[in-house]
Amino acid sequence: EDQVTQSPEALRLQEGESSSLNCSYTVSGLRGLFWYRQDPGKGPEFLFTLYSAGEEKEKERLKATLTKKESFLHITAPKPEDSATYLCAVQRYNFNKFYFGSGTKLNVKP
Amino acid sequence: NAGVTQTPKFQVLKTGQSMTLQCAQDMNHEYMSWYRQDPGMGLRLIHYSVGAGITDQGEVPNGYNVSRSTTEDFPLRLLSAAPSQTSVYFCASTRGFANEQFFGPGTRLTVL
Repeated sequence: EDQVTQSPEALRLQEGESSSLNCSYTVSGLRGLFWYRQDPGKGPEFLFTLYSAGEEKEKERLKATLTKKESFLHITAPKPEDSATYLCAVQRYNFNKFYFGSGTKLNVKP
Repeated sequence: NAGVTQTPKFQVLKTGQSMTLQCAQDMNHEYMSWYRQDPGMGLRLIHYSVGAGITDQGEVPNGYNVSRSTTEDFPLRLLSAAPSQTSVYFCASTRGFANEQFFGPGTRLTVL
C-alpha cells in the first residue's frame, strides 16, 4: 500500500536557524515526488518535483533532495515568511492518483 | 488566467441536505481531482478525472458524486450531507499525469 509519512508534525525555528523536513514514502515504482507549501486558509502551492534518487532542486532558501526511500526539504537561514505547512505527495507509474503526507507545520520566529 | 476557481468559499449545511461544490479551471488541463483536508490527516483524494467524460474513485469516495462534461468544469456533489463530511475541500488540476497540481482556494464546509 502506498504510504507517505512526514516528520516532524510541527517545527519551530528561530530566524536564521537552518533545519530539514522529512518525507518518507513506500510506493512501488515512483513516478514523482512533489513538495507543496500551504499558507493558512489557502490551497497548496507547488514548490518542487523530484523524479529519481539523487536528484536535487533549489529555490531561494529551500532545497529538496530525494533518495529511494525519503525526501528532505532543507531550509537554510529561514525567515518568518517561510512559516507555512509543507506537504509532500507521491505518484507511481501507471497510476493517476497522488498520495499526500499530513504535512509539517513550520513556524519561524523573528 | 484565473487558474482554478472554487465556489462557494464557505457553506453550512444541515444533515441530509444535498449540494454541489463548483470547480473550474481555464488552463485546459486534462486531469482534475477533488480532495478533502482534515486536521492531522493531510489531503485525501475523493474523486478524479483524466478527461471529459472519464471519472474514477479515490481513497474516500463514499457520499460524493462527480461528473465531467467539459474540460473546464468538475463539480462535486454531496448527496445527503453528514457531519463526517465537515472538512475543507480542494479542487486541483494538472496538465498530464506527472506534473504539478494547481489547487483552488478551497471550500470550507460545515455540516450540522
